Amino acid sequence: AQSVTQPDIHITVSEGASLELRCNYSYGATPYLFWYVQSPGQGLQLLLKYFSGDTLVQGIKGFEAEFKRSQSSFNLRKPSVHWSDAAEYFCALNNAGNMLTFGGGTRLMVKP
Amino acid sequence: GAVVSQHPSRVICKSGTSVKIECRSLDFQATTMFWYRQFPKQSLMLMATSNEGSKATYEQGVEKDKFLINHASLTLSTLTVTSAHPEDSSFYICSADLAGGGKNIQYFGAGTRLSVL
Repeated sequence: AQSVTQPDIHITVSEGASLELRCNYSYGATPYLFWYVQSPGQGLQLLLKYFSGDTLVQGIKGFEAEFKRSQSSFNLRKPSVHWSDAAEYFCALNNAGNMLTFGGGTRLMVKP
Repeated sequence: GAVVSQHPSRVICKSGTSVKIECRSLDFQATTMFWYRQFPKQSLMLMATSNEGSKATYEQGVEKDKFLINHASLTLSTLTVTSAHPEDSSFYICSADLAGGGKNIQYFGAGTRLSVL
């Protein structure tokens, strides 16, 4: 069975600092991986996705993620966090069908 | 592109009434739409998969007679919470599947906050 784990429930960073949100997955083949962001009371916005090819993928809002097969990870990074980045972040896996398996989410708080 | 509209964004209703939530893909056709429920500070829980022109597929533990799903066109799916009760109060989110080249991407609506009094 496939699964997605986001080890960090909460993360707090200072504005301007770098950010890395962890995501680990369990799946028997190469998965399709996604990062979504959810602002309070809102739906999910797609930040970036990985299907194949270059393992470092660029997304919107200055985010990037790196797929590491050997570590079964797809960590999300941003070099300099802005206060507007405070939100809930979800990593998700698609098994080449059309159903997503979500991680538990990581709540990002940004200190001024 | 790939915009999904969900309406209403918030609804308050009395116990025993039914509430309909609409999910529309505005600039693409979606053969498949999904309905999720999200409890406070938790991840999304898939309720059902809705395929255009056929019956929805419900996840285990989701009452199909309670949560009626209709997917009458390639751009519209509706979720009706029938005889709503306070325990149905939650945040409901839909998504539409944009498929192409063997790859599927789900785009999400903004969600509906349902409060049952």
